[in-house]
Amino acid sequence: DQQVKQNSPSLSVQEGRISILNCDYTNSMFDYFLWYKKYPAEGPTFLISISSIKDKNEDGRFTVFLNKSAKHLSLHIVPSQPGDSAVYFCAANREAGRDDKIIFGKGTRLHILP
Amino acid sequence: NAGVMQNPRHLVRRRGQEARLRCSPMKGHSHVYWYRQLPEEGLKFMVYLQKENIIDESGMPKERFSAEFPKEGPSILRIQQVVRGDSAAYFCASSPNRDSSKTQYFGPGTRLLVL
Repeated sequence: DQQVKQNSPSLSVQEGRISILNCDYTNSMFDYFLWYKKYPAEGPTFLISISSIKDKNEDGRFTVFLNKSAKHLSLHIVPSQPGDSAVYFCAANREAGRDDKIIFGKGTRLHILP
Repeated sequence: NAGVMQNPRHLVRRRGQEARLRCSPMKGHSHVYWYRQLPEEGLKFMVYLQKENIIDESGMPKERFSAEFPKEGPSILRIQQVVRGDSAAYFCASSPNRDSSKTQYFGPGTRLLVL
């Protein structure tokens, strides 16, 4: 059972345009969400996170939106740059209480086209 | 300010041999997590450790796999009698002492190939 779902295995976006990566989750206990970026042969790199008390968090070109009622979040990258080509993983865990494992989606491969 | 270190980066083993994967967390981090990534899959949680304690091993196979994080030295993920299905990338992550940050920082991974 996939608790964190990224339904688009890949996405191609023109350089300079907006990239929108989507993620859905099923576990209502999740209250902390993260996006990681991964290049081939490297470990995931933390990008941005959002707590469930917020519906938006922005960091430079990256913005994450959270819709709790729909159990949906999205990552917006604008403007998209060639170096953004990578696999993006959506992840979730529980912020309150003890430390807990992160549950990852399967990833979306983003291609930025010249 | 070194990040999470993992070694070896690549490991080749024959079926039945043992694999030992090492992870040194970021300085000041006392929480270590191990994840496994199979081809075309996301990362799957295996085990969470603090110094000398296993906190959550719910994602780790019951047989052949073990993990430790001793008082001194790196965390070790040990796989005994490896099989071809163990071929995967194994990532270690660390996080700081218990505080408001729940972000985990990942190492470069160890790619295990079982022949």
